[in-house]
Amino acid sequence: GNSVTQMEGPVTLSEEAFLTINCTYTATGYPSLFWYVQYPGEGLQLLLKATKADDKGSNKGFEATYRKETTSFHLEKGSVQVSDSAVYFCALSEGGSARQLTFGSGTQLTVLP
Amino acid sequence: DGGITQSPKYLFRKEGQNVTLSCEQNLNHDAMYWYRQDPGQGLRLIYYSQIVNDFQKGDIAEGYSVSREKKESFPLTVTSAQKNPTAFYLCASSESEGISNQPQHFGDGTRLSIL
Repeated sequence: GNSVTQMEGPVTLSEEAFLTINCTYTATGYPSLFWYVQYPGEGLQLLLKATKADDKGSNKGFEATYRKETTSFHLEKGSVQVSDSAVYFCALSEGGSARQLTFGSGTQLTVLP
Repeated sequence: DGGITQSPKYLFRKEGQNVTLSCEQNLNHDAMYWYRQDPGQGLRLIYYSQIVNDFQKGDIAEGYSVSREKKESFPLTVTSAQKNPTAFYLCASSESEGISNQPQHFGDGTRLSIL
């Protein structure tokens, strides 16, 4: 079956530091890949997505590239801010069923001023 | 603004009691989902619905029930058979269940606790 493995947290960085959160996946076909962000006490918000190999998703300074050869979708940001403190989830989906999203366990990011 | 509304934000359940969590969307989405989130874990799918009057079990459906009488509404009942109901419950919707690149949109969640 499908699975998503995320870098374990928590991750603590200083403001303006470089961020990488690793995500690797196992899928039987050619999934779409997503990063979601969850702020305290809230639901999940879509951060970015990529639907095929070598696609790069980007939003709010965050980027992730769909790497089929390494089955990875690592999240990066060049300079984090305190407001980026949240939990980040990597997820995949494959078409043909509403049971689409398989989530990683989430990575807690704390950015210190 | 279009979105998903979950209520209540906090809910308490007594032993042996059924409780119902509300989820309403005005996005005109066909598919709706219920997830459970436990601390330090990802989301696990409880139930999903592709169209009105149809729904399927997810990975952890035992102790839960749902209905889909209207397109915009997908309430979740946590029954007394669910022995460990304390968790954060998230409702989501998406445009079409058959298209894998359509993202799911989430509500703000309901936190359920046992009294």
